[in-house]
Amino acid sequence: AQSVTQPDIHITVSEGASLELRCNYSYGATPYLFWYVQSPGQGLQLLLKYFSGDTLVQGIKGFEAEFKRSQSSFNLRKPSVHWSDAAEYFCAVGAQGFGNEKLTFGTGTRLTIIP
Amino acid sequence: ETGVTQTPRHLVMGMTNKKSLKCEQHLGHNAMYWYKQSAKKPLELMFVYSLEERVENNSVPSRFSPECPNSSHLFLHLHTLQPEDSALYLCASSQDFGGRVSEAFFGQGTRLTVV
Repeated sequence: AQSVTQPDIHITVSEGASLELRCNYSYGATPYLFWYVQSPGQGLQLLLKYFSGDTLVQGIKGFEAEFKRSQSSFNLRKPSVHWSDAAEYFCAVGAQGFGNEKLTFGTGTRLTIIP
Repeated sequence: ETGVTQTPRHLVMGMTNKKSLKCEQHLGHNAMYWYKQSAKKPLELMFVYSLEERVENNSVPSRFSPECPNSSHLFLHLHTLQPEDSALYLCASSQDFGGRVSEAFFGQGTRLTVV
């Protein structure tokens, strides 16, 4: 079975600073990887996804993530954070199962932005 | 109206009540999901419907009863809940390509409090 680990429960960064959120996965086949963001009281919004091809993927809101098979990682990055980026971020791995798909989520990383 | 819509946004119910959560997707997807999000726990997949048939039930207690009358609507019927069932319940939809994973689109969730 697949699993996702987000080792950082809470990260605080200054506005304008760079950001990297870590994600490690375990899956026996080629993974389908996702990053979602959740603002307080809201549902999850897809930031970006990796299915195949270029291992550096660009997403919305200036985010990018790099798939590294050798490290089983899919870390999320942003060169300069904005106060509006404060939210909870979830990494997920997609698995195939008898014609339907399933997403396994990590426990999330809460991002706090300080002025 | 676009995307995935959940109603109500907030629900407080007693342990002896019966209530239902509603989800509607306007994306033309053929798969719908219920997730439970509790504090400090990963998102838990509860039910999956693909082409209006239930294909996944992750050992969810029978006090939760899903219904999918068509590909656009999904309900979660609740009865005799426990306080530990208090959580954010998220509905999602995706396009099931018969094995190829695609991203899920989430509603804003229903915050359920059982008293």
